[in-house]
Amino acid sequence: AQKVTQAQTEISVVEKEDVTLDCVYETRDTTYYLFWYKQPPSGELVFLIRRNSFDEQNEISGRYSWNFQKSTSSFNFTITASQVVDSAVYFCALSEAQAAGNKLTFGGGTRVLVKP
Amino acid sequence: EAGVVQSPRYKIIEKKQPVAFWCNPISGHNTLYWYLQNLGQGPELLIRYENEEAVDDSQLPKDRFSAERLKGVDSTLKIQPAELGDSAVYLCASSPGTQGRETQYFGPGTRLLVL
Repeated sequence: AQKVTQAQTEISVVEKEDVTLDCVYETRDTTYYLFWYKQPPSGELVFLIRRNSFDEQNEISGRYSWNFQKSTSSFNFTITASQVVDSAVYFCALSEAQAAGNKLTFGGGTRVLVKP
Repeated sequence: EAGVVQSPRYKIIEKKQPVAFWCNPISGHNTLYWYLQNLGQGPELLIRYENEEAVDDSQLPKDRFSAERLKGVDSTLKIQPAELGDSAVYLCASSPGTQGRETQYFGPGTRLLVL
């Protein structure tokens, strides 16, 4: 069975600080996909990134970067030079290639509060 | 390109009343999902449609919940009768297909409060 754990429930930082969100997953599948979504106060889940299990290259997109390590089953997310607009709940999610129907399993989310 | 549209955004009802939520997926997306998100938790799948067929409704409480996607586009999720514990956010998502690599795109959700 697939499982996603986000151990940090809430992180509070001051603007311009870096913040790293941890995500640890469990799966028996050799092919799987990892996602990060952002949920601002408006409620909509905004897709940020998808990474497949065969691609362990780290990725950077602007102030966002992701560190995927299969050896530790982790897919961590870093916001560099945080801004107030980054305040949101961030969810890590997993889908398995073998599972029917693109089933997404979400972690419990990490609330990020960026103070000015 | 328009995203997933949901209405209403907010709904307040008294317990035992019926309620319905509507979702319009991204154009061309054959797969539609309804999720339940309780406060402080991640979304959990209720039902998945491939075109007009409900192919995974194992998590849908069928005694009071029902859903339909008659023409394979828009979908409606209904609760009758609503209970206090149904207070949550109901999210709709869509994807082009059902492979694990497909990204699901979410709507803004309907926040339901049952009094």
